[in-house]
Amino acid sequence: GAVVSQHPSRVICKSGTSVKIECRSLDFQATTMFWYRQFPKQSLMLMATSNEGSKATYEQGVEKDKFLINHASLTLSTLTVTSAHPEDSSFYICSAKPGLAGGVHQETQYFGPGTRLLVL
Amino acid sequence: KQEVTQIPAALSVPEGENLVLNCSFTDSAIYNLQWFRQDPGKGLTSLLLIQSSQREQTSGRLNASLDKSSGRSTLYIAASQPGDSATYLCAVWSGTYKYIFGTGTRLKVLA
Repeated sequence: GAVVSQHPSRVICKSGTSVKIECRSLDFQATTMFWYRQFPKQSLMLMATSNEGSKATYEQGVEKDKFLINHASLTLSTLTVTSAHPEDSSFYICSAKPGLAGGVHQETQYFGPGTRLLVL
Repeated sequence: KQEVTQIPAALSVPEGENLVLNCSFTDSAIYNLQWFRQDPGKGLTSLLLIQSSQREQTSGRLNASLDKSSGRSTLYIAASQPGDSATYLCAVWSGTYKYIFGTGTRLKVLA
């Protein structure tokens, strides 16, 4: 089955620093990756959609200069939280949508295990 | 704009009961609907994926149904067990090519 990994699984940082989270599709090529944020006891909210080789599309209310997304290859997308503040503390989950290659279901997404960010 | 709602928000049942979780969505033009399980502090585990052309999907003690015209899906859990305790999320993939998640149902199965 399709597997998506995230690194790190947990990170603690000081306020004002930047944190990078990686999302990798391990056994398929992902033309599109999605980044979600989940606050405690709330559902997942889509932050942005990234397509390989192009700029990410951000959802309304998400600051693109604060949450930098890079989708440099068909298997890797990164989310960088710049100048993190305590209110950025959250659970960040990525998902990946397969491209045209066979072997995995196309019209779905495969989710990573999430990264818990705590900003002190 | 697609909106997804789940009821109840929380549910507590004794072990062995059969139960139904509900998911409703406002725009019936969907490609698929997926049910997930999320344990506290963990990521998502996909349970069942229903394509728009399908009426239901089954996996073990789980059965999910889809009624596009009424904008509803149900997740049926048979013979519930304490290990089923988790938050259950439904998500709808619609014309915007992204998943919209429901608000979730927190299930607790008492031993």
